[in-house]
Amino acid sequence: EVQLLESGGGLIQPGGSLRLSCSTSGFTFNSYAMTWVRQAPGKGLEWVSSMSGSGDNTSYADSVRGRFSISSDNSRNTLFLQMNSLRVDDTAVYYCARGRIVGASLWFDSWGQGTLVTVSS
Amino acid sequence: QSGLTQPPSVSAAPGQKVTISCSGSSSNIGNNNVSWYQQFPGTAPKLLMYENNKRPSGIPDRFSGSKSGTSATLGITGLQTGDEAAYYCGTWISSLRLTVFGGGTQLTVL
Repeated sequence: EVQLLESGGGLIQPGGSLRLSCSTSGFTFNSYAMTWVRQAPGKGLEWVSSMSGSGDNTSYADSVRGRFSISSDNSRNTLFLQMNSLRVDDTAVYYCARGRIVGASLWFDSWGQGTLVTVSS
Repeated sequence: QSGLTQPPSVSAAPGQKVTISCSGSSSNIGNNNVSWYQQFPGTAPKLLMYENNKRPSGIPDRFSGSKSGTSATLGITGLQTGDEAAYYCGTWISSLRLTVFGGGTQLTVL
């Protein structure tokens, strides 16, 4: 059974840093494009960052580029999101998602339950 | 990174059919495939459709997808009250290796 479990969320002051983790099991971790997607309270989905299975390619939304960094520990099948210089508008539930790439298609076929990040003074 | 455009809400009666549109451009939907996600309040999104019109295992054939040019459409027939949820379209801009989502459509089954 495919499982993704996020952790690391919480309350943090503006300008602070937080590291999210996504522990996975039930599939070959480095065969998928692992991704972070967030959802601000009452808002829609926003793609944040993706990493290729090999780890060679990473990509970021303009809103987080230069502040957030995606990484992984393949030996532990775990995905990370290091978030620095946090802003109030980073407040959201952060989901870890498993991405499948086939040709010109990428879709997210498994999602974690999400972890809430609240940026507030 | 312009997002995709969806109607904020749609509604229909039980047993009826509804369609949800997702409009993009040549830089996103026009050259890439679309996926759809269903989300109930307080829960994670769930994959509903991928590669425009393919259903994952377990998704009933009441759900269908299509794409034409720079737009995509999700169709749901035989509406049930349990279909009340938010629906999101998404596409991967492969040339930039980034994903964009639509703003989401709230489906109400009256």
